[in-house]
Amino acid sequence: NAGVTQTPKFQVLKTGQSMTLQCAQDMNHEYMSWYRQDPGMGLRLIHYSVGAGITDQGEVPNGYNVSRSTTEDFPLRLLSAAPSQTSVYFCASSRGTGELFFGEGSRLTVL
Amino acid sequence: GQQVMQIPQYQHVQEGEDFTTYCNSSTTLSNIQWYKQRPGGHPVFLIQLVKSGEVKKQKRLTFQFGEAKKNSSLHITATQTTDVGTYFCAGNTGGFKTIFGAGTRLFVKA
Repeated sequence: NAGVTQTPKFQVLKTGQSMTLQCAQDMNHEYMSWYRQDPGMGLRLIHYSVGAGITDQGEVPNGYNVSRSTTEDFPLRLLSAAPSQTSVYFCASSRGTGELFFGEGSRLTVL
Repeated sequence: GQQVMQIPQYQHVQEGEDFTTYCNSSTTLSNIQWYKQRPGGHPVFLIQLVKSGEVKKQKRLTFQFGEAKKNSSLHITATQTTDVGTYFCAGNTGGFKTIFGAGTRLFVKA
């Protein structure tokens, strides 16, 4: 099992560009989520999903869109990147309200 | 909204010394989880506590969940260099929103 797979691992964008961070899990988990990690601020929840077709906002949703068309995939879209979105992004999945399984992270720099 | 505070932000210890990190929530939690993140890595699940007053041990690590289910602690006895990293608590209030504390970064000097 691959677990939670995130792509790309590294990305550099210019302000205003758009991009999608991909996340896929092969554990048949219903729950998936996106976090961003910034120094001194821990992991902040961006968006989450409790199943295909269902998404909800987390703590810091502005500037990000998500969709969940399948159980396996949960992409995160930045429509118009800003320098404040420079961060490390982690995707996670779980069976319920228990253990979160994290991907290896995507490091995004917005110039 | 739900907030989870964690202290201290950093802790430097000599190898063999003990270490404790504390977590406090603004709301009552249905469960609390602890994760460890090594430098350059991703968070890895350590344990979940569910019951009021619960205490769990994993070798040198002791985890506690407060009676009011609003606070928790992680204590490491006799730290080793392999314990370095950032320890996060993460709280859940019953839904699927898991909110993380800011983490405590542990440095261990040999």
